[in-house]
Amino acid sequence: KAGVTQTPRYLIKTRGQQVTLSCSPISGHRSVSWYQQTPGQGLQFLFEYFSETQRNKGNFPGRFSGRQFSNSRSEMNVSTLELGDSALYLCASSRWTGDNEQFFGPGTRLTVL
Amino acid sequence: QKEVEQNSGPLSVPEGAIASLNCTYSDRGSQSFFWYRQYSGKSPELIMFIYSNGDKEDGRFTAQLNKASQYVSLLIRDSQPSDSATYLCAVGSSGSARQLTFGSGTQLTVLP
Repeated sequence: KAGVTQTPRYLIKTRGQQVTLSCSPISGHRSVSWYQQTPGQGLQFLFEYFSETQRNKGNFPGRFSGRQFSNSRSEMNVSTLELGDSALYLCASSRWTGDNEQFFGPGTRLTVL
Repeated sequence: QKEVEQNSGPLSVPEGAIASLNCTYSDRGSQSFFWYRQYSGKSPELIMFIYSNGDKEDGRFTAQLNKASQYVSLLIRDSQPSDSATYLCAVGSSGSARQLTFGSGTQLTVLP
């Protein structure tokens, strides 16, 4: 069974630009959660999507948004990039919302210059 | 703000020893507790989860939970150099197991 895939794996952007990251969950998994990982703040929850609906949201500004499609694939978007947005963005999939077993993708390394 | 605290380490143990990793959490209503292993440059991998007070064993790994003390630990028996990684403790918030709060991680090095 294929794991969680994320594209692109690496991204370099400049301040003020916007970026869209993609996540394809494990086949049959319908819940996707997004996290930001930085050396200073660690792993922080961004949001969770299930059945194309945002179920939970972390404490991030509105510049961070996401969506989920009917095939459970998810995208997250960051607008007006700031230097502090440089991070590893991880998505995790699970079978349904409330399922505790999350499988992480390899992540997208975003660098903002 | 809900917090999850871990000793950042680094923690070094000799090969074959027991490694003990500890975690405390602030939200008394937390219901679910997880341990992830993250190798350098890789994404986190779920290795254990526990919901009830007491011990849960899986191979060389034992998770221990004490809700009264708001404490969860991970024991790794017969530590191997391949266990060298950062171990992340994560706590599921009350009301929703999906919103995990992660600790900053403990870096473990197993010395051959």
